[in-house]
This record gives sequence, structure tokens and C-alpha cells, in this order.
Amino acid sequence: GAVVSQHPSWVICKSGTSVKIECRSLDFQATTMFWYRQFPKKSLMLMATSNEGSKATYEQGVEKDKFLINHASLTLSTLTVTSAHPEDSSFYICSAVAGGVRPKNIQYFGAGTRLSVL
Amino acid sequence: GENVEQHPSTLSVQEGDSAVIKCTYSDSASNYFPWYKQELGKRPQLIIDIRSNVGEKKDQRIAVTLNKTAKHFSLHITETQPEDSAVYFCAASTDVKAAGNKLTFGGGTRVLVKP
Repeated sequence: GAVVSQHPSWVICKSGTSVKIECRSLDFQATTMFWYRQFPKKSLMLMATSNEGSKATYEQGVEKDKFLINHASLTLSTLTVTSAHPEDSSFYICSAVAGGVRPKNIQYFGAGTRLSVL
Repeated sequence: GENVEQHPSTLSVQEGDSAVIKCTYSDSASNYFPWYKQELGKRPQLIIDIRSNVGEKKDQRIAVTLNKTAKHFSLHITETQPEDSAVYFCAASTDVKAAGNKLTFGGGTRVLVKP
């Protein structure tokens, strides 16, 4: 149980285009999802907290107009990288916190999306 | 906000030996401390966690200890095996609702178990 699916796993795009990444909780409802960015051989850097039905909370230094987050349902959050540029190339990972009877705080991670902007 | 420091950044051990990774945190309100293992190109996987109401927790070859007074916690892997090679991340969080279950991660430790 507690499976998080992230799609796509790898995307290559041209500079200036937008890319949408989906994060789905497959067997549980997630009122809260998180989006991280991970540089090679580095730690996970929290970009934003996504709450179902409300606006995302962005970490300091993360451009909300650049990284659009939508959490339209209890099982889906999307991250759209708008007008992508080579410096946006990175590994993006989502996670979800399960509600209900599961222990709180535990974050279940998606497999990540490797974005390469040419 | 919370700050988590993790040491060492790399750790090489001989198969069968023990590995110890240490983390310190800054926010005394933190009360949940998970450890994640991330293999190359894969998702982080929760391997063990501890809450502030206990000082130690063990699961087979893995154990975690917590010292709330000193604000540090450690991961211990005994009888290491090649499949233990990965990057390990510690993290800290609080149950306080306003904090939104955010995890603050340490910088990671790259563990290499040599056969």
C-alpha cells in the first residue's frame, strides 16, 4: 500500500516550452503533497507544499509563476514548469502524506521525473 | 526554520562491518525523524523512523537512536551487505499542524559497501 505514481519519468523539451508533471496517490487519499527538486548527488530541496483545494505554499526563493502547482483532487497534484530553460533541468520528485489511519508525517515518494531542457 | 546537518557525506565500509550516520537538528519542536534510502535514479524509500517519545528503535540490521536533549539522532546498520550501498537521508519534522508535515532533509550520506 501507499503507492505514489509520478509521470512522466523522463522528459526532454525545448527551451521556452512548458512541461507538466503528474503525481498520483494510487491507493490512498493525500490531502497534502510535496514537490522537491534534487540536483545530482545532492539532497532533496523542498519547492512547495500542495494542499487539495487550496493554493500551494512555496518555499523561499521558488518562483510560483515559474512552477505552477495544482492539487485538484485528493489523489492528484501537478507541477507545471512554465517556459522551461536549461537551468530548470533537474530531477523533480513528489511525495504524498496519507491521511486516515496511516501514521501521520510519513511521506511516500514518487519515482521522480528527470527533466532535460535543451 | 529547521536545519538538519548530516555526517559523513560519504562512507565506505567493508562488507560485514557496521555503518553509522549522524544527524543533528536545530528545532526543538521537531518530533519525528525518518531515514530514507535512495538508490541511484530511484525514489527515496523510508527504511526506519523514530518519534520523540522513544530513544531507540530497531528493525533487523537497522537501528536508530535519538537524543532529544542534544538534538541529534543516528542510523546504525550492522552486518552491512553490498545491497546496502545507496544514499541515505535523515530528516526531521513536527506534528504541529501549522508546519504542514514538512520534512527537512539532511545533505545525505553516500554509503559504499565493499565486498
